Amino acid sequence: QKEVEQNSGPLSVPEGAIASLNCTYSDRGSQSFFWYRQYSGKSPELIMFIYSNGDKEDGRFTAQLNKASQYVSLLIRDSQPSDSATYLCAVSGGATNKLIFGTGTLLAVQP
Amino acid sequence: KAGVTQTPRYLIKTRGQQVTLSCSPISGHRSVSWYQQTPGQGLQFLFEYFSETQRNKGNFPGRFSGRQFSNSRSEMNVSTLELGDSALYLCASSLGDSQETQYFGPGTRLLVL
Repeated sequence: QKEVEQNSGPLSVPEGAIASLNCTYSDRGSQSFFWYRQYSGKSPELIMFIYSNGDKEDGRFTAQLNKASQYVSLLIRDSQPSDSATYLCAVSGGATNKLIFGTGTLLAVQP
Repeated sequence: KAGVTQTPRYLIKTRGQQVTLSCSPISGHRSVSWYQQTPGQGLQFLFEYFSETQRNKGNFPGRFSGRQFSNSRSEMNVSTLELGDSALYLCASSLGDSQETQYFGPGTRLLVL
């Protein structure tokens, strides 16, 4: 079992729709959860982080964390073509105390 | 504040050679982590340095090594290059609390022929 799992996609949504990206993790001791966006040929850039169960909103982005289910998600409202990128889920604070990345979900927003 | 910088941005080497990559963290950041990114494996953690000491290490062979200087700048060295070492090498800096957000540099794209 991979430590951090994401569906590789591509996830295709029409412009203006809500994109829902999901991530599960295996280390129950994990404490910090991050979403990065990576455009093709570029380095990852931080979108959001979340530490506590529940929802955290920042503009069009909402991160959701459920530690009991070991599940973290990212919702993107009013999706734009410029949101088309690979979204990486990262988890830290577990047994190894390393930041572990999922392989990413490719999001394609269709105009 | 200036972001994380990495040099060089692109490198072409041949098998058997060695390479040194450099990373300058955001001012005030004391932790530098290195990652290898390939299409098949995604982002793989190489190692983390904090206050000139390796604090964490991934599952890479000993050909991959690193160090950190007193000004927090870090270098990564790969000896006896193999074709499979072709990848984007990313460094990320943070203040030093291992739970904190990491900020990535632009990466060094290494091609081994």
